[in-house]
Amino acid sequence: GQQLNQSPQSMFIQEGEDVSMNCTSSSIFNTWLWYKQEPGEGPVLLIALYKAGELTSNGRLTAQFGITRKDSFLNISASIPSDVGIYFCAGRGTREETSGSRLTFGEGTQLTVNP
Amino acid sequence: DAGVTQSPTHLIKTRGQQVTLRCSPKSGHDTVSWYQQALGQGPQFIFQYYEEEERQRGNFPDRFSGHQFPNYSSELNVNALLLGDSALYLCASSREEAYRGPTDTQYFGPGTRLTVL
Repeated sequence: GQQLNQSPQSMFIQEGEDVSMNCTSSSIFNTWLWYKQEPGEGPVLLIALYKAGELTSNGRLTAQFGITRKDSFLNISASIPSDVGIYFCAGRGTREETSGSRLTFGEGTQLTVNP
Repeated sequence: DAGVTQSPTHLIKTRGQQVTLRCSPKSGHDTVSWYQQALGQGPQFIFQYYEEEERQRGNFPDRFSGHQFPNYSSELNVNALLLGDSALYLCASSREEAYRGPTDTQYFGPGTRLTVL
């Protein structure tokens, strides 16, 4: 089955620092999504990427859809304490593929920001 | 604009019991997907419902079943509960019409925390 490898598993940074995390897959995806999850809540969509090579920003967040369609990265610039949480990447195939529209998630990156 | 809602928020059951979890999709959405998230893990796809039918299914046993109603809301049923079924159960909704284009995106509810003792 499809699996996503997300790294790093956890990060401890100082406020103001930049953060980078990435996901790689053994399979091709047509869509890459990045979610943030805080304790006791469901994942909240941060950025959606729909085309290979696409680079998209959402405020201090920037994400890219890899050219090979097997990877994606998320950068957070000038981190602040409210960036704390678990960040997940997720990939989606096409309806024609067995996986259809289901999302396959990475294991998550736990981000801690020290003030 | 109401987002995805789930009930109950927390549930405690014992082994062998049955449980029903409920989900109401975001306004304008007609497709519901269910995911299981074990502690420290990413969500795992259980199944997806569209037009009141199960359209896709992940690698979960038949103890996991579901239903979608004409108003697009959905239920997840788990029979013969095992200790390993303890997890956060997430519901996500999306629009089928959006899927035909490139911009299908799933929005998640807050989840139901199920504890099996």
